[in-house]
Amino acid sequence: GAGVSQSPSNKVTEKGKDVELRCDPISGHTALYWYRQRLGQGLEFLIYFQGNSAPDKSGLPSDRFSAERTGESVSTLTIQRTQQEDSAVYLCASSSGVRYSYEQYFGPGTRLTVT
Amino acid sequence: AQKVTQAQTEISVVEKEDVTLDCVYETRDTTYYLFWYKQPPSGELVFLIRRNSFDEQNEISGRYSWNFQKSTSSFNFTITASQVVDSAVYFCALSEAYTNAGKSTFGDGTTLTVKP
Repeated sequence: GAGVSQSPSNKVTEKGKDVELRCDPISGHTALYWYRQRLGQGLEFLIYFQGNSAPDKSGLPSDRFSAERTGESVSTLTIQRTQQEDSAVYLCASSSGVRYSYEQYFGPGTRLTVT
Repeated sequence: AQKVTQAQTEISVVEKEDVTLDCVYETRDTTYYLFWYKQPPSGELVFLIRRNSFDEQNEISGRYSWNFQKSTSSFNFTITASQVVDSAVYFCALSEAYTNAGKSTFGDGTTLTVKP
């Protein structure tokens, strides 16, 4: 079946503009994660959704970052008033079953460049 | 707090050599899960293996093998007879059952370069 998809694949924006990044998880996966990966670095956890539970937003770096998820499907990560330090690849992953025990399936990422 | 350490930032080997990628973790939970992921130059992370804390049996899959030792809090990954296609960044990750349930912690990754 289809894997995790993300759009756009690349986004170039001017400093101060808002951007929206979209993630379509694997159908039936109840858990959805957003990560940020700066060039040459590891994964930085941003936010986690599990079913209808309140999301874990503890990784969001500032109040300029927010995310929503519609039921157990599409999620949107929004960055307001983008800054140059927001430039990174934003990865989305989904997982099935019990949240802590199952592997995550990653999308190809959205490469965000803030000029 | 949960933590994953991959001390080797970069490793370079010649094709057909064996290579071991180290992963050391910290957790207070008695139940947890460990993972390895591969990120090839194309960029998309791919799941390789999951290991439960209550199962210390080592696993072999083709040229890949994993050595889980709770006594040393390590979950090392060995590639036997490495190939150029093994060149990638490899991430070790930890997911706790209770304390930080749902929030996987990833190591910083080890960049493996296999030269022909």
